[in-house]
Amino acid sequence: QVQLQQWGAGLLKPSETLSLTCAVYGGSFSGYYWSWIRQPPGKGLEWIGEINHSGSTNYNPSLKSRVTISVDTSKNQFSLKLSSVTAADTAVYYCSSLSGYYLDAFDIWGQGTMVTVSS
Amino acid sequence: SYELTQPPSVSVSPGQTARITCSGDALPKKYAYWYQQKSGQAPVLVIYEDSKRPSGIPERFSGSSSGTMATLTISGAQVEDEADYYCYSTDSSGRVFGGGTKLTVL
Repeated sequence: QVQLQQWGAGLLKPSETLSLTCAVYGGSFSGYYWSWIRQPPGKGLEWIGEINHSGSTNYNPSLKSRVTISVDTSKNQFSLKLSSVTAADTAVYYCSSLSGYYLDAFDIWGQGTMVTVSS
Repeated sequence: SYELTQPPSVSVSPGQTARITCSGDALPKKYAYWYQQKSGQAPVLVIYEDSKRPSGIPERFSGSSSGTMATLTISGAQVEDEADYYCYSTDSSGRVFGGGTKLTVL
């Protein structure tokens, strides 16, 4: 059973770069797509982007200019960088997997990381 | 950009049937999925491919889709079903969540 463990800085200043990493345990790393999703306090879910084991990426068009998702297959990890953050980027950030078992569904989720952007 | 539209809130009494709708222009061609999210927790998949139920999800949860609207139905809603529900689908530009519906059961 795949499990996701994520970590990263929880407090940033405006204009800094958000950096989070998600480690995959207990299952295959290849053959999946790995995603980042965020949720501002009291608001809904927003898909940020995804990557597969070979490094192929897809990004939300609204965030594409500031987002980089990368993968380290040697460590079974994938990472998110979001540049030039503002208060609007304050959110809980989740990593998640799309195994294909439920077709296009996000089936496994990390525990979430609260990221606050404040001067 | 593609949008999925849900009602902000739905309220039912325990034992009643709750229906939550999700409308989107691509739904005639794309599957709808539904997530349940309780306060402080990660979302949980309750319906995939319009109407299929993952293992472990109670039978009172069902889904359907017709034209540009998908519907999540909770038959005989229970107090523990009180949560936020999000529809989710895909289109050519990526993956999209609806705005969420707060289900109140009381």
